[in-house]
Amino acid sequence: DIQMTQSPSSLSASIGDRVTITCRASQSISSYLNWYQQKPGKAPKLLIYAASSLQSGVPSRFSGSGSWTDFTLTISSLQPEDFATYFCQQSSSIPLTFGGGTKVEI
Amino acid sequence: EVQLLESGGDLIHPGGSLRLSCAASGFTFSNSAMSWVRQAPGKGLEWVSSITGDGRTYYADSVKGRFTISRDNSKNTLSLQMNSLRVEDTALYYCARLTLAVAGDFDYWGQGTLVTVSS
Repeated sequence: DIQMTQSPSSLSASIGDRVTITCRASQSISSYLNWYQQKPGKAPKLLIYAASSLQSGVPSRFSGSGSWTDFTLTISSLQPEDFATYFCQQSSSIPLTFGGGTKVEI
Repeated sequence: EVQLLESGGDLIHPGGSLRLSCAASGFTFSNSAMSWVRQAPGKGLEWVSSITGDGRTYYADSVKGRFTISRDNSKNTLSLQMNSLRVEDTALYYCARLTLAVAGDFDYWGQGTLVTVSS
């Protein structure tokens, strides 16, 4: 199974900050990496697919990069509605696996 | 508008059985691969099972042999039959649509149905 490791597990940031979250795969997954945002009591929401493609309707302040084993989610200017937990997920092979999550707090 | 509505969650004793359902609308269900993803209280996300539009099934090792995923394309319904339930199966179970036939991203999610396994 491919293990996904996210860092940090939590971070504190302020409105307007640039925030970067990393995700590392235990083996190469090419660009088969997706990012989700989850707010308390809500279902996850797809933000980025295929490492760098922005899902329809997602603000352009979100971006993704990386390939093979190392990936990054960047929020260019943190907004109040961005405080949430973020998960990465590999879609290279079954079983599909998720990172442990990064909680972005004020 | 795509909608996924789960039902069937309950409090169940260890060793018991439960059947979850997901009613889908707003897209061509028969053409879409579907999955169950669970989240234990306060924990991360765990993929449970997937089924392709033509009925091929895939399972996480943690549920293989105990859970069965199925679909009824005539009723736009996804199901998860859960047998021999364990305390560690306690979670919020989400129904989600896969963008690719087997391994892909989940572009739509339901709101989840809670399964609690406890004596």
